[in-house]
Amino acid sequence: RKEVEQDPGPFNVPEGATVAFNCTYSNSASQSFFWYRQDCRKEPKLLMSVYSSGNEDGRFTAQLNRASQYISLLIRDSKLSDSATYLCVVKTPNDYKLSFGAGTTVTVRA
Amino acid sequence: SAVISQKPSRDICQRGTSLTIQCQVDSQVTMMFWYRQQPGQSLTLIATANQGSEATYESGFVIDKFPISRPNLTFSTLTVSNMSPEDSSIYLCSVEFQVPPIVYGYTFGSGTRLTVV
Repeated sequence: RKEVEQDPGPFNVPEGATVAFNCTYSNSASQSFFWYRQDCRKEPKLLMSVYSSGNEDGRFTAQLNRASQYISLLIRDSKLSDSATYLCVVKTPNDYKLSFGAGTTVTVRA
Repeated sequence: SAVISQKPSRDICQRGTSLTIQCQVDSQVTMMFWYRQQPGQSLTLIATANQGSEATYESGFVIDKFPISRPNLTFSTLTVSNMSPEDSSIYLCSVEFQVPPIVYGYTFGSGTRLTVV
């Protein structure tokens, strides 16, 4: 089983729509969780760190469910510029290593 | 967060040759990480570079193939040696940014797109 698994998508949504997708992780001891955004041919960029039960940043909401070992990302009022691949990243405690999901592709259409 | 300058941004190399990738960070960092991202896939950690000690390699990666230097706390290089077409990939360096004890995330260099022909 992979350490971090994501629905690869693609999620094709119209502008203004809400889109949400999940990421599951296998190590119950994981403590730090991040969502990164990666545009085509670009490096990953931090979108949100996910704390405790979740947090919100503008149109983006991240939720953490420790019991079921998943985190989710919800994008409200989608913009064309939200089109990207979203990477779920998990860090275990006492370990500097990160585990990356394969990414979820979101395409927002006009 | 730290700013990383990575170069070259891309290169096309002949098989059997070597390429050295450089990452310069605008602040001192303890650990620097080197990743590979093959086409259509996510990031795989190659090794972790600590200043003043040997790099720590992940399973499937060896020092002879991917020698790393870390001469100081702001700079590191990764060399891809004796290249074959299978080494065609994007190579990225990364550093952790934090305000202890909170780790806020990881910053990546802009990547080196390597094509081996």
